[in-house]
Amino acid sequence: GAVVSQHPSRVICKSGTSVKIECRSLDFQATTMFWYRQFPKQSLMLMATSNEGSKATYEQGVEKDKFLINHASLTLSTLTVTSAHPEDSSFYICSARGPSGAYNEQFFGPGTRLTVL
Amino acid sequence: EDQVTQSPEALRLQEGESSSLNCSYTVSGLRGLFWYRQDPGKGPEFLFTLYSAGEEKEKERLKATLTKKESFLHITAPKPEDSATYLCAVPNRYNQGGKLIFGQGTELSVKP
Repeated sequence: GAVVSQHPSRVICKSGTSVKIECRSLDFQATTMFWYRQFPKQSLMLMATSNEGSKATYEQGVEKDKFLINHASLTLSTLTVTSAHPEDSSFYICSARGPSGAYNEQFFGPGTRLTVL
Repeated sequence: EDQVTQSPEALRLQEGESSSLNCSYTVSGLRGLFWYRQDPGKGPEFLFTLYSAGEEKEKERLKATLTKKESFLHITAPKPEDSATYLCAVPNRYNQGGKLIFGQGTELSVKP
């Protein structure tokens, strides 16, 4: 149980284009999902908290107009990197708050490697 | 300030050589401590949740323990497939929407 998927697993795009990453909870409903960014040899950096049916909450320093988050259903959140530039190249990982609701476990997707040329 | 510190940053073991990883935290009013395993190029895999001092949980060669200030992940007779980065995390003191504070991780390498 508590499986989270991400799509695509890898994406290469040209500078200036937009890229959408999907995060799905496969066997449970997730009212809260999270988006992280991870640089090589570093820990996870929380970008934003995504709540179903409401606006995402962004961490300090994260550009909300560049990283658009939509949590339209209880099983799907999307991250769109708009007008991507090489410095946006990174490993993006989503997670979903566990099905128990009362606890704070997060279950992670497999990640998306974004390369902007 | 809420903080999670893991040590050592890297650990190299021979197959069968048992050891422990440490996770210390400064969050007051702990609402759970979580251990994850992360393989290169993949998302973290959930291992354990600990909620109260004295609690222990086991999974194969791994055993996690919790005190009021730290948690240990004991690895007994490790195998090369246990090589990964191990992360611990705690909810922040305000428990804002389930946000977690992660340590920097311990990179474990087990040589045959």
